[in-house]
Amino acid sequence: GNSVTQMEGPVTLSEEAFLTINCTYTATGYPSLFWYVQYPGEGLQLLLKATKADDKGSNKGFEATYRKETTSFHLEKGSVQVSDSAVYFCALSDGQAGTALIFGKGTTLSVSS
Amino acid sequence: DAGVIQSPRHEVTEMGQEVTLRCKPISGHNSLFWYRQTMMRGLELLIYFNNNVPIDDSGMPEDRFSAKMPNASFSTLKIQPSEPRDSAVYFCASSVNRALQPQHFGDGTRLSIL
Repeated sequence: GNSVTQMEGPVTLSEEAFLTINCTYTATGYPSLFWYVQYPGEGLQLLLKATKADDKGSNKGFEATYRKETTSFHLEKGSVQVSDSAVYFCALSDGQAGTALIFGKGTTLSVSS
Repeated sequence: DAGVIQSPRHEVTEMGQEVTLRCKPISGHNSLFWYRQTMMRGLELLIYFNNNVPIDDSGMPEDRFSAKMPNASFSTLKIQPSEPRDSAVYFCASSVNRALQPQHFGDGTRLSIL
């Protein structure tokens, strides 16, 4: 079946450091890929998405490129801020209407000043 | 626009009691999802509905858990009887029932069973 694997956390960085959070997936067909972010005490929010191979999703300085050849969707940011401290979830949709997302286990990011 | 609204935000109760969690999806969304989040197991999908009809409840842990969606604007998740291991944050999410549409999450209900 479909699945998502994220790198284990926590990830601890200093402000302005470069961020990579790895995400790989297993899926049949042509899935869509998402990154969600969860700030403390809140629900998950969509951060970015990509719906086909080689698409790049971007938002708030974060980027992720849908790589079909490596089945990956790694999240990157060139310069993190303290306010980026949160839990990040990679997710997959099989692209069919009305089906649930499959989430990775989440990666906690902690950024210090 | 109002987001997904969950109530209560926090619930503390003793084991054996019935617990009812409530969710109001975003107006116009016709898919609704219930999740549970714990440190040990992460984010788990419990059940989801399309057009008020339960589609997949394979994630519901036991018969003690039940969910209903009597209309397009309201859903409940009930635990009866509750146990300490049910302590978690429960999230409701909704989306438009079309391919590639993102899910919108509520702020969750933090449930503690003593």
